[in-house]
Amino acid sequence: DIQMTQSPSSLSASVGDKITITCRASRSITNYLNWYQHKPGRAPKLLISAVSRLQSGVPSRFSGSGSGTDFTLTISSLQPEDFATYYCQQTYSHPTFGPGTTVDIK
Amino acid sequence: QLVESGGGLVQPGRSLRLSCVASGFSFDDYAMHWVRQAPGKGLEWVADISWNSATIGYADSVKGRFTISRDSAKNSLYLEMTSLRLEDTALYYCAKNGGSSGLDGMDVWGQGTTVVVSS
Repeated sequence: DIQMTQSPSSLSASVGDKITITCRASRSITNYLNWYQHKPGRAPKLLISAVSRLQSGVPSRFSGSGSGTDFTLTISSLQPEDFATYYCQQTYSHPTFGPGTTVDIK
Repeated sequence: QLVESGGGLVQPGRSLRLSCVASGFSFDDYAMHWVRQAPGKGLEWVADISWNSATIGYADSVKGRFTISRDSAKNSLYLEMTSLRLEDTALYYCAKNGGSSGLDGMDVWGQGTTVVVSS
């Protein structure tokens, strides 16, 4: 199985900050990398598919990049509604999720 | 929209069947997934099934114990869970594949159904 790691595991930030979350795969997954946002009591939400494809309705402050084994999710200007846990997911083989990065208010 | 049901409290070693009813999209056109989240833990993919049921996959943690299936006539996805273990306690989500491949992610999720395995 392909293992996914994320860093940091948590971060504290303020509204307006730019943040970057890193995701690494245990072997190359080419561009089979998706990002999800998950808030308590809510269903996970697909933000980005195929590394950088922003889903319909997702604000442009979210962006993704990377290839092979190393990927990033960037939020250019954090908004109050962005405080959540973010998961990367590979779908190159049987899907696996990263352990998550929790973004909370500083 | 996806609506899960069938969760509950069950003893270790017993069985449970989860259901997920789909609406608002052409169910027959998409692969479907089950994903779970144990208390205080992250998301874990459990199983998936292709649009025509020809291809099925399971996480190692459930292989041989869980069975995924679908019924196009009922727009429904199922997860038959047997030999349940304490570690199967989780909120179980069904999710729709966004397109024809993994590049599309899981774009529609239900609200989940809770399974508690306890004696």
